[in-house]
Amino acid sequence: EVQLLESGGGLVQPGGSLRLSCAASGFTFSSYAMSWVRQAPGKGLEWVSAISGSGGSTYYADSVKGRFTISRDNSKNTLYLQMNSLRAEGTAVYFCAKGPRYNWNDGSYFDCWGQGTLVTVSS
Amino acid sequence: QSALTQPASVSGSPGQSITIPCTGTSSDVGGYNSVSWYQQRPGKAPKLMIYDVSNRPSGVSNRFSGSKSGNTASLTISGLQGEDEANYHCSSKRSGSTYVIFGGGTKLTVL
Repeated sequence: EVQLLESGGGLVQPGGSLRLSCAASGFTFSSYAMSWVRQAPGKGLEWVSAISGSGGSTYYADSVKGRFTISRDNSKNTLYLQMNSLRAEGTAVYFCAKGPRYNWNDGSYFDCWGQGTLVTVSS
Repeated sequence: QSALTQPASVSGSPGQSITIPCTGTSSDVGGYNSVSWYQQRPGKAPKLMIYDVSNRPSGVSNRFSGSKSGNTASLTISGLQGEDEANYHCSSKRSGSTYVIFGGGTKLTVL
């Protein structure tokens, strides 16, 4: 059974940093692109970032480009999101999501999601 | 970037059929056969219901179907059941640097 478990969320001040992790199991982690998708309270979903199976290609939404960094450790079956210069609008539940194929551009949908981790940006 | 447009809410009675539209532009919905739909119950993770416009993942009921015409995609749920009550989000691949865009979500109420 595919499982994704996020961690690392919490309360952070505006301008601060936070690192999210997503532990994956039940599939060959290195064979699939992975993404982060967030959902602000009471709002819709917003795609944040994606990474190819090898980690060699990364993609970002304009709203986080230059401030967030996605990475993965295939030896640990773990996906990461380093978030710097956080803003109030970054308050959201952050979901880790699995793509259907190795390359992000070969399938822009998400076939398995974690339960999410809440990030609150507030002073 | 503007989100795809979905109605905030729809409702139907058990056994009926409902359709949720998702309107975009030629840069997203109309330009790619890459529309997907997700079901999300309160406090839970989204679940993939439809991908690539009209394909159902294994395990998803055949009461769920997807289609597209021009810049508008649609999710149809037939034979409504109480367990279908949830929020439904559409998504599409988009040209340019956004890559993927979502709709605002539609709350389905089964009366």
